[in-house]
Amino acid sequence: RKEVEQDPGPFNVPEGATVAFNCTYSNSASQSFFWYRQDCRKEPKLLMSVYSSGNEDGRFTAQLNRASQYISLLIRDSKLSDSATYLCVFNDYKLSFGAGTTVTVRA
Amino acid sequence: EAQVTQNPRYLITVTGKKLTVTCSQNMNHEYMSWYRQDPGLGLRQIYYSMNVEVTDKGDVPEGYKVSRKEKRNFPLILESPSPNQTSLYFCASRTGTGELFFGEGSRLTVL
Repeated sequence: RKEVEQDPGPFNVPEGATVAFNCTYSNSASQSFFWYRQDCRKEPKLLMSVYSSGNEDGRFTAQLNRASQYISLLIRDSKLSDSATYLCVFNDYKLSFGAGTTVTVRA
Repeated sequence: EAQVTQNPRYLITVTGKKLTVTCSQNMNHEYMSWYRQDPGLGLRQIYYSMNVEVTDKGDVPEGYKVSRKEKRNFPLILESPSPNQTSLYFCASRTGTGELFFGEGSRLTVL
């Protein structure tokens, strides 16, 4: 089993839609969790950390399910500017990356 | 401004010609690392450094070297580049809480 598995998508959604996707991890010792956003050919940038109790940042909601070993990201009221690749990152003794989920928001 | 700077941003070279990609951070982070990103494979760690003079192999270290003589700099060295090292490379430094700051990337083509 891969350390990190992430649905590559692409998710092609209309503006205003809600889109959600998960990322599973195999190492139960993972201690911290993040979602990064990467625009085409640019560097990844931190979108949000993922806390045990779940957390929101505007239209973005992140959840952690330790029992099933996955994190999720939900984007509400999608904007054109949300089009990007979203990477999940797990931190135990090292950092493990998902390959990314591509989201395209269309007008 | 907090940043990670890597150079060159774009490079085309030929097989066997040694090259160095520089990386510098101004945030006084102890942890720095190098990644390569290839289509469908995501980010893979090449080498990382926990502090000055402390470096260790990541998942794909073959064909690469690094050094960490000062806290701010972490150059990536390709002693004898080969075409399979054609990739997009990112340098990053990390805070104590695990947040990564990435450089803008270096796109390398080895002919």
